[in-house]
Amino acid sequence: NAGVTQTPKFRVLKTGQSMTLLCAQDMNHEYMYWYRQDPGMGLRLIHYSVGEGTTAKGEVPDGYNVSRLKKQNFLLGLESAAPSQTSVYFCASTAHVRASYEQYFGPGTRLTVT
Amino acid sequence: GQSLEQPSEVTAVEGAIVQINCTYQTSGFYGLSWYQQHDGGAPTFLSYNALDGLEETGRFSSFLSRSDSYGYLLLQELQMKDSASYFCAVPNNAGNMLTFGGGTRLMVKP
Repeated sequence: NAGVTQTPKFRVLKTGQSMTLLCAQDMNHEYMYWYRQDPGMGLRLIHYSVGEGTTAKGEVPDGYNVSRLKKQNFLLGLESAAPSQTSVYFCASTAHVRASYEQYFGPGTRLTVT
Repeated sequence: GQSLEQPSEVTAVEGAIVQINCTYQTSGFYGLSWYQQHDGGAPTFLSYNALDGLEETGRFSSFLSRSDSYGYLLLQELQMKDSASYFCAVPNNAGNMLTFGGGTRLMVKP
């Protein structure tokens, strides 16, 4: 049981390039989330999904898109990367409806945009 | 909207007790979660308080006072491995997302 996994672990992009971050969970969780964490700061929600085929905007959605075609996968896309998107990106999931208080996090993807 | 306030940094000595406070302002309130994050690591869930009072889990306890919009995490018998950042968080009224505080960095000294 791997829990929540993220691919890749590190990435360096040039301004204007695009990329997709992959999150996978093997716990059959309904809800999945993408957060960003800037140095010395808390987690800010980018987008989330409450089930296969559904997505919703979080606190800081601009510049990102997401898709949840399969229940176990949640993809985060950056269409045209900007230096302001340099951050650590965490994916998380939770099993229960109305129980988002307990989330399981992946190891993170460290993204640098130059 | 929802906002949470935590001290940015706390320092304590190994073996001591430390309290990390969290005050919140929310449009509706459904409980307070706590997470731990070591440097370079992922956040991990510690506890959740839906009702007033103290919840104990080993060396860690979490307290909630809904009337004061306040909670705290209490760490006893501090160990060096407790050096980490601690975040409080509140769910929204639909229960499908969390808002996190800015985090408190705890440094445990020998």
